[in-house]
Amino acid sequence: EVHLVQSGAEVNKPGESLKISCKGSGYIFISYWIAWVRQMPGKGLEWMGTINPTDSQTTYNPSLQGQVSFSADRSISTAYLQWRSLKASDTAIYYCARLKHFDYGDLDYWGQGTLVTVSS
Amino acid sequence: SYVLTQPPSVSVAPGKTAWITCGGSNIGRKNVHWYQQKPGLAPVLVIFYSSERPSGIPERFSGSNSGNTATLTISRVEAGDEADYYCQVCDRNIDQHVVFGGGTRLTVL
Repeated sequence: EVHLVQSGAEVNKPGESLKISCKGSGYIFISYWIAWVRQMPGKGLEWMGTINPTDSQTTYNPSLQGQVSFSADRSISTAYLQWRSLKASDTAIYYCARLKHFDYGDLDYWGQGTLVTVSS
Repeated sequence: SYVLTQPPSVSVAPGKTAWITCGGSNIGRKNVHWYQQKPGLAPVLVIFYSSERPSGIPERFSGSNSGNTATLTISRVEAGDEADYYCQVCDRNIDQHVVFGGGTRLTVL
């Protein structure tokens, strides 16, 4: 059975760095891109971008370019979302999801979400 | 940028049919996916490629797409269908590549 398990909730201060993870199991991890989706408090879903675990090729939503970075370690079937300097506006739930078909954007399995709270 | 427009809310009585729309320019030419999100949980894919249903999703869920509107139809609505529903398209020709609609809160009366 396919599972994506994300790291636990985080509480950080503005300016701090952070890396959260998403570990896949039950399928061949390198066969599917991973997408990251943001959900700010009380708001809708926002596409952040994708990473190919095979070669770490990435795509980013232009509105978020430079603010976050994606990485992956295929040897442990894990994808990462990273910030170099957090802002209060980064407070949100972050989901990873398996991209079933790169060209069509359908997300067939989702992680449970990681709540990131940024507050001084 | 490409915008998908959903009604903020839809209300329906149990046993009736709910229609949730998703408007976008020439959306009928694109593949539309629909997700259900219940409070505190991750989204779940309920319709892909505009009208296909993943395994495990009840037949009560169906989708259509034509012109400038895609529609998610939920027949014989149950209390457990109460959730937020999001439409999504992927188009490599648009800057964002992938866009979600703003979401529709389905309330079962």
